Amino acid sequence: QKEVEQNSGPLSVPEGAIASLNCTYSDRGSQSFFWYRQYSGKSPELIMFIYSNGDKEDGRFTAQLNKASQYVSLLIRDSQPSDSATYLCAVVYGGSQGNLIFGKGTKLSVKP
Amino acid sequence: NAGVTQTPKFQVLKTGQSMTLQCAQDMNHNSMYWYRQDPGMGLRLIYYSASEGTTDKGEVPNGYNVSRLNKREFSLRLESAAPSQTSVYFCASSEEGRPNEKLFFGSGTQLSVL
Repeated sequence: QKEVEQNSGPLSVPEGAIASLNCTYSDRGSQSFFWYRQYSGKSPELIMFIYSNGDKEDGRFTAQLNKASQYVSLLIRDSQPSDSATYLCAVVYGGSQGNLIFGKGTKLSVKP
Repeated sequence: NAGVTQTPKFQVLKTGQSMTLQCAQDMNHNSMYWYRQDPGMGLRLIYYSASEGTTDKGEVPNGYNVSRLNKREFSLRLESAAPSQTSVYFCASSEEGRPNEKLFFGSGTQLSVL
């Protein structure tokens, strides 16, 4: 069973704090990992992807991957109210995009 | 540049009715996808088309059919709608269908089956 697990939240952080979102996956062979952001009533949009162990930074966002422990995380520094959204973790199982499995998402609320 | 366009945005059906959801992309992408999103279930793949002329089942294909009409268009058909098909449907596309590619999503169709 291919699974991607996320804490559904809601995760509430004050403005300016670091928000930490976590995701675990079941298949050790997974190679590609994504974070999509989805505002309420809108479609998902890609904000980060990571393929190698370690950290990948893009502005206020940092994706972290640990393949040995089978988890991937997203850190949002200096959180803003505009970051309030649901964050979807997605993992590719196997060699085709047809095997992209999404987690159920973590709802983040950034309080002013 | 419109990206991925879905129609309709909202639809209410009675059980047993049929309908087709339309999707078109103007990015010259090879691969297209249909997902459904239910509360507490996340996004689940219904069908995808890796390239023009091919379609494959995803995680939840039962009750649906698809047609890749040409490179731009990928439609999803419900032949006999059931209340369990009440959901938000998203069409998406990607450039080549490789595992590490970004998905571009349409704005979604809110479907209610009574």
